[in-house]
Amino acid sequence: NAGVTQTPKFQVLKTGQSMTLQCAQDMNHEYMSWYRQDPGMGLRLIHYSVGAGITDQGEVPNGYNVSRSTTEDFPLRLLSAAPSQTSVYFCASSYSPTGLNTEAFFGQGTRLTVV
Amino acid sequence: AQSVTQLDSQVPVFEEAPVELRCNYSSSVSVYLFWYVQYPNQGLQLLLKYLSGSTLVESINGFEAEFNKSQTSFHLRKPSVHISDTAEYFCAVSDKPGGSYIPTFGRGTSLIVHP
Repeated sequence: NAGVTQTPKFQVLKTGQSMTLQCAQDMNHEYMSWYRQDPGMGLRLIHYSVGAGITDQGEVPNGYNVSRSTTEDFPLRLLSAAPSQTSVYFCASSYSPTGLNTEAFFGQGTRLTVV
Repeated sequence: AQSVTQLDSQVPVFEEAPVELRCNYSSSVSVYLFWYVQYPNQGLQLLLKYLSGSTLVESINGFEAEFNKSQTSFHLRKPSVHISDTAEYFCAVSDKPGGSYIPTFGRGTSLIVHP
């Protein structure tokens, strides 16, 4: 049971490049989400999903795309990287209909630098 | 929309002294409340949670938090801190069943324990 796995751990992009941050969970959670963490700003919600095929925008969605084709995977796509997207990105999952957990479980994060 | 306010961005304290990290939330519905801890260069780990029942909840490493509905607060306390408690602490709120399990986070409080 690996929990929430994010790849890569570190990435440097040039302005204008695109890339996908990967996130996978093996807890059969229905809810998955992406946050970005910036100094003094806490964690801000980018996009989230309440089940396969269903996604919605969070607080700071511009410049990012998501899809949820399976329960396990929730990739985050940066369409055209900008320096303002330099941040630490966290994927989280929560809520199994057959379980008692109510809290979110987090991956170890992806540290992204856009130059 | 929910919001979480952590009143202190940084709390310096000496080892073995007591500490309180303050958290207030704004929500018109019944909520779940959480405290997460983030050690340097790591992801977020659940410290404790309030779902229902007793308003005082405890963690395994000596932290406790009290849910105060009238003051919409969920302050975190520890009677005697250790150097190893140095970390970033995040308060979070999510709706109870029927709402979203996607938590909203405060901006975080950096607890710095000095020897």
